[in-house]
Amino acid sequence: QVTLKESGPGILQPSQTLSLTCTFSGFSLSTYGMGVGWIRQPSGKGLEWLANIWWDDDKYYNPSLKNRLTISKDTSNNQAFLKITNVDTADTATYYCARTHYYSGGFDYWGQGVMVTVSS
Amino acid sequence: DIQMTQSPASLSASLEEIVTITCQASQDIGNWLAWYQQKPGKSPQLLIHSATSLADGIPSRFSGSRSGTQYSLKISRLQVEDTGIYYCLQRYSNPPTFGGGTKLELK
Repeated sequence: QVTLKESGPGILQPSQTLSLTCTFSGFSLSTYGMGVGWIRQPSGKGLEWLANIWWDDDKYYNPSLKNRLTISKDTSNNQAFLKITNVDTADTATYYCARTHYYSGGFDYWGQGVMVTVSS
Repeated sequence: DIQMTQSPASLSASLEEIVTITCQASQDIGNWLAWYQQKPGKSPQLLIHSATSLADGIPSRFSGSRSGTQYSLKISRLQVEDTGIYYCLQRYSNPPTFGGGTKLELK
């Protein structure tokens, strides 16, 4: 059974760094073709892909935020991480992590999401 | 970036009606297209992957099709539980991009 769960700070102030953790089970990020992505959704709005990390440690970022994003993984502990630097109110959103496979067409399993509010 | 233009933005349909939602890709994406359903307060659920393949556990009334760079999601007989927001996603090239969403309600 594949599960993913996001965790984060809840609230942070502008200019701080947002650190998110995705803890998953039922698959391994050391398995060929496996990946984890981060997607966010401001309240009442659509979905925005942020970054993917792959089994071979390859990483891809959304160019619109690339300089602010860092994705990483801890394969031994079944976790993936995302850092967003210099946050502002536009980063307020629900953040999801989701499993993907290099040869499939999308994200097949999603976490429940974690709400992050940026406010002074 | 590849743009995914989804239509309609909202849709009201009756029980047992056939519903079709479309996504137009700004360039060729092959079959790298997925469809998702999202209910209020929940994470998106994969319905269709690879443009036409039904995801595990999804009812057969959902189907996906492709004509060139236009992709369609069809619900053959709308049920109460099918209300929600539907999104398409292209994963042909980075960055993956979502359609703007279609809000489906019961009439």
